[in-house]
Amino acid sequence: QQQVKQSPQSLIVQKGGISIINCAYENTAFDYFPWYQQFPGKGPALLIAIRPDVSEKKEGRFTISFNKSAKQFSLHIMDSQPGDSATYFCAATLTTSGTYKYIFGTGTRLKVLA
Amino acid sequence: GAGVSQSPRYKVAKRGQDVALRCDPISGHVSLFWYQQALGQGPEFLTYFQNEAQLDKSGLPSDRFFAERPEGSVSTLKIQRTQQEDSAVYLCASSPDRVYEQYFGPGTRLTVT
Repeated sequence: QQQVKQSPQSLIVQKGGISIINCAYENTAFDYFPWYQQFPGKGPALLIAIRPDVSEKKEGRFTISFNKSAKQFSLHIMDSQPGDSATYFCAATLTTSGTYKYIFGTGTRLKVLA
Repeated sequence: GAGVSQSPRYKVAKRGQDVALRCDPISGHVSLFWYQQALGQGPEFLTYFQNEAQLDKSGLPSDRFFAERPEGSVSTLKIQRTQQEDSAVYLCASSPDRVYEQYFGPGTRLTVT
């Protein structure tokens, strides 16, 4: 019940196209949903995040769509660029007794073709 | 400003050796997390500190894993009697008080031979 399922495992998109990565969860107690971008040899870097009381959040070319009833959320990268080629992780945060932890998805390796 | 730093960046250990991995969080960050990231997988939670208090260690895979943060800043993850299955990237993250955003370090890649 604490899993976050991410798909697809890998994605190839043409430059200028839209990249879409999906995540699904079961635990309705999750209360914060960030997306992280990770380049090889680097730690994950926060890209954008959303709380469950909001259905959409946009920051530049990155948009999170959140469907609370379906327990799904997705990352859309508009006008994808070769520099966006990286691994993307969704996560969900569980807060219990004053502590919190991230549960990460398994990652999506994105390649944007020039 | 300086981000989260980790050392060493790479560590090769022979099976059975003890290792110590260091994390320097962003100055003033109250919360500190350790994660284990296997090749091709997402980070998996190991343990969480709030200042010097270890509030959650439910993700530590065995009693060979031990973490400390004695003065509420620098943290050390120690693995005793390393095994091959311990080979992974160990990530540290920190965050300010009552803030969900976590800032990750570059990780330490541990290879046990």
